[in-house]
Amino acid sequence: AQKVTQAQTEISVVEKEDVTLDCVYETRDTTYYLFWYKQPPSGELVFLIRRNSFDEQNEISGRYSWNFQKSTSSFNFTITASQVVDSAVYFCALSRANNAGNMLTFGGGTRLMVKP
Amino acid sequence: DTGVSQDPRHKITKRGQNVTFRCDPISEHNRLYWYRQTLGQGPEFLTYFQNEAQLEKSRLLSDRFSAERPKGSFSTLEIQRTEQGDSAMYLCASSLRGFYEQYFGPGTRLTVT
Repeated sequence: AQKVTQAQTEISVVEKEDVTLDCVYETRDTTYYLFWYKQPPSGELVFLIRRNSFDEQNEISGRYSWNFQKSTSSFNFTITASQVVDSAVYFCALSRANNAGNMLTFGGGTRLMVKP
Repeated sequence: DTGVSQDPRHKITKRGQNVTFRCDPISEHNRLYWYRQTLGQGPEFLTYFQNEAQLEKSRLLSDRFSAERPKGSFSTLEIQRTEQGDSAMYLCASSLRGFYEQYFGPGTRLTVT
């Protein structure tokens, strides 16, 4: 069975602070995919990143960066110089890579509040 | 390139009534997924289609739920004899292929009174 844990249910920061959202996953598969989605107050899930299990290179996209560590089964997400518009619920998700279904298993989400 | 659309956005119904939701995926996407999200939780998988074939259903999908995707285009999710526990956001997503990222629609929020 697959499982994703986001231990931080809510984080509050002041604008321009850096913030890291933690994600720990469990799977018996040797190949799999990891994702991050953003759900702003409007409710629509927005895709941020997909990472496959055999690519452990960290990735940076503007103010966003992701740290994938297979040894600790973690896929953490850092926002640098946070802005009020970053306020949202962020979900980490996991899917199998065998093309059988690839449905996403989501964590419980972390609500990020960025205050001006 | 239009995104995933869902209709209606909100539905209020009385317990025991039937409801139907529609999802239009991104046009070239052959995979379509339904998820359910309750307040404060992450989305949970319900079912998925590859083209017109429904290939997997979650144990969350009771006999009162049925989904179709005629001709491999839009999909409908029907809930019969709704119960208060069915109140949730129903999300539809589509992807180009199985392991590609899924793009979500805005969801249909169902309230059963």
